[in-house]
Amino acid sequence: DAGVIQSPRHEVTEMGQEVTLRCKPISGHDYLFWYRQTMMRGLELLIYFNNNVPIDDSGMPEDRFSAKMPNASFSTLKIQPSEPRDSAVYFCASSSWTGGYNSPLHFGNGTRLTVT
Amino acid sequence: AQRVTQPEKLLSVFKGAPVELKCNYSYSGSPELFWYVQYSRQRLQLLLRHISRESIKGFTADLNKGETSFHLKKPFAQEEDSAMYYCALRGTGGSEKLVFGKGTKLTVNP
Repeated sequence: DAGVIQSPRHEVTEMGQEVTLRCKPISGHDYLFWYRQTMMRGLELLIYFNNNVPIDDSGMPEDRFSAKMPNASFSTLKIQPSEPRDSAVYFCASSSWTGGYNSPLHFGNGTRLTVT
Repeated sequence: AQRVTQPEKLLSVFKGAPVELKCNYSYSGSPELFWYVQYSRQRLQLLLRHISRESIKGFTADLNKGETSFHLKKPFAQEEDSAMYYCALRGTGGSEKLVFGKGTKLTVNP
C-alpha cells in the first residue's frame, strides 16, 4: 500500500484565491482526518469522517473552510477565499476500525500551503 | 474534554545521554495514548502506543494513570533521534479523534 497520499505537496497562492487540498486514504480505512500544523498552535484537528460522513467538524476555523468526502478513496479540503493566516501544513490521516480494534492513524506527507 | 500537555517545546541533549520527553494528559475516561515522531519535513509516524507495551528504536513509554502521564524515555540518545515528538490521546468512549500535544523538538548534539 502506498500509504495516505496527499496532493499537492506545496501550494503557493495569493490572498483571496480558492485552494483545494486532496487526500487519498489507505484502502480499507474507514476514518479520515484533516489536521493543520502551525508553529504556534501545533497540530489541530479540523474535521474527521467515518464511512464518508463528517462526524466532527468543530475544529474547522470558519466558513471559509469546507471538506468533503464523496467516496471512500477521496477527500478534499477547500479554503475559499484564502488568507495569509491560513498558511500552514495540512495533513490528512486515515485509520480503520476492525473487529473492535481501532488502528493508529497513518499520516500523509502533508501539503505546505503558503498564502501571500 | 481531552487535553494533552507537553511542557517542553525544546529539549537538547548530548549523544549517549538519557532523554525523557514529558507528556501529561487530561481525560475523564480511559484513554489510549500514543507517541508520534516527525523527522525534518516528513510525515508523522507512529512511534509507540501504550497498549502495545513495546520498545521502538530504544524508546519506551509507560502510562501512569495516577499521575496522568505518558513520558517517553530512551537511555542513550542518538543523533538520528533528533526530531519533533508529539504525544497524543484518543478517548475510548466512542470518539475516534486523536488530540495532540504541541510537541517537543528534540535535538541530540554530537
